Amino acid sequence: AQTVTQSQPEMSVQEAETVTLSCTYDTSESDYYLFWYKQPPSRQMILVIRQEAYKQQNATENRFSVNFQKAAKSFSLKISDSQLGDAAMYFCAYRSAGISSGSARQLTFGSGTQLTVLP
Amino acid sequence: ETGVTQSPTHLIKTRGQQVTLRCSSQSGHNTVSWYQQALGQGPQFIFQYYREEENGRGNFPPRFSGLQFPNYSSELNVNALELDDSALYLCASSSTQGTGQTQYFGPGTRLLVL
Repeated sequence: AQTVTQSQPEMSVQEAETVTLSCTYDTSESDYYLFWYKQPPSRQMILVIRQEAYKQQNATENRFSVNFQKAAKSFSLKISDSQLGDAAMYFCAYRSAGISSGSARQLTFGSGTQLTVLP
Repeated sequence: ETGVTQSPTHLIKTRGQQVTLRCSSQSGHNTVSWYQQALGQGPQFIFQYYREEENGRGNFPPRFSGLQFPNYSSELNVNALELDDSALYLCASSSTQGTGQTQYFGPGTRLLVL
């Protein structure tokens, strides 16, 4: 079974600064997807960024980028120019790329990192 | 494009009762997954529905059951409610076409069992 570990329960960053959230995972599979989701106080889970394991290039979405190290099974999220609206719980999630299998499409989540943005 | 919707938003039940939660998938999505998120924890996979059949299940007892309808909407039913069932229940929809690997979540239903 796959596991996802987020070792930083809480992080804080000054507005306009850069912060990196860590995530490691354990899997024996070679093809999979990794995600970062954001959950603000409303508790709506919002997709931040997605990475396909077969792609060597790190994904970027505006101020959000990842550092994907497949051999090390590491998937960190970098938030640049942090804004007050970035304050939320951030979850790292893993999904197998298996085809046609329902269980292969489940997301396995880490325990989350609570990000505080200081004005 | 309509996003994932869930109803009700909040629910209070007593131990032993039964509850039904509802989810409408995002337009164009044919797969629905349900997750339970206890306070301070990450979501835990309950089960997934595709083509009106359960297509994968997490470590939850049989009193957690579901349905998917021809329009891809879904229900989560929980019988014999226990205090530990108090949680946020999240529904996520996805498609087997295109970006099928991405699940988009609804706003959740907060269930409190007294």
